[in-house]
Amino acid sequence: DSGVTQTPKHLITATGQRVTLRCSPRSGDLSVYWYQQSLDQGLQFLIQYYNGEERAKGNILERFSAQQFPDLHSELNLSSLELGDSALYFCASSDTGGSGNTIYFGEGSWLTVV
Amino acid sequence: GENVEQHPSTLSVQEGDSAVIKCTYSDSASNYFPWYKQELGKRPQLIIDIRSNVGEKKDQRIAVTLNKTAKHFSLHITETQPEDSAVYFCAASKTGANSKLTFGKGITLSVRP
Repeated sequence: DSGVTQTPKHLITATGQRVTLRCSPRSGDLSVYWYQQSLDQGLQFLIQYYNGEERAKGNILERFSAQQFPDLHSELNLSSLELGDSALYFCASSDTGGSGNTIYFGEGSWLTVV
Repeated sequence: GENVEQHPSTLSVQEGDSAVIKCTYSDSASNYFPWYKQELGKRPQLIIDIRSNVGEKKDQRIAVTLNKTAKHFSLHITETQPEDSAVYFCAASKTGANSKLTFGKGITLSVRP
C-alpha cells in the first residue's frame, strides 16, 4: 500500500458526460501528480499541484481540469468525455514540489467511456 | 522538453538468465532516473533510482547504470524469476521546482519458467 488513495476504482460512463476522480496523497506529501495510462501511450503526465498551486502542466486536454484543496486532496475533472478518454488514471504524490524525489502512485481509477 | 525512449518494447528471457533494459533520454540537464515496475492491473512501483552523480547503483538482484555522455541508462536484473515478469518504465527529470518526470513507454519483460 503506497498510502495514496484514489476513488472510484472503476467508472463506466457515456460519451459527453463529466466525471470527477479523487485522490488523497500520502500523509505529509504536498505534491500531487495526475497521469493517464492508455494501452499504447504509456504513462502520460497530465498535471502537478504543490500545496494547492499548479506547479507543472503536461499534455492535459482543455476538457480536463484539476485542483488541489487546502486539505491537499486533489480532484481531476474530465468533461465532454470521448471514447478515447477511456484509460487508467493514476494519482501520485511526493513530499516536495520539485522532481528528483520519489513519487508514489495510487491504485488508479479505471475509466471506461461507452 | 525531455523525451525518454525504451527499446525494445518486449523482452523475453529464460528463468535464471539476466535481463537488461535500456533507456535513452534527450535532455542533457536531466539528473534523476528512476525505474518503476508495474504488474498487470496494478500501480507502478519504484524499484530503483539513480542520480547523475553516480554511475551505478545496486540493490540485490537489480542494478542501474548511467552513461551521461551517451544519455542512456539501463536496468539490469540478474537471476530472473517468474515474478519479475511485468512492465518496466524508466523515467528522467531534472531536479527543481518546475521540473516533471517524463516516462518511457515501458518494456514488457516475460520470464519463461
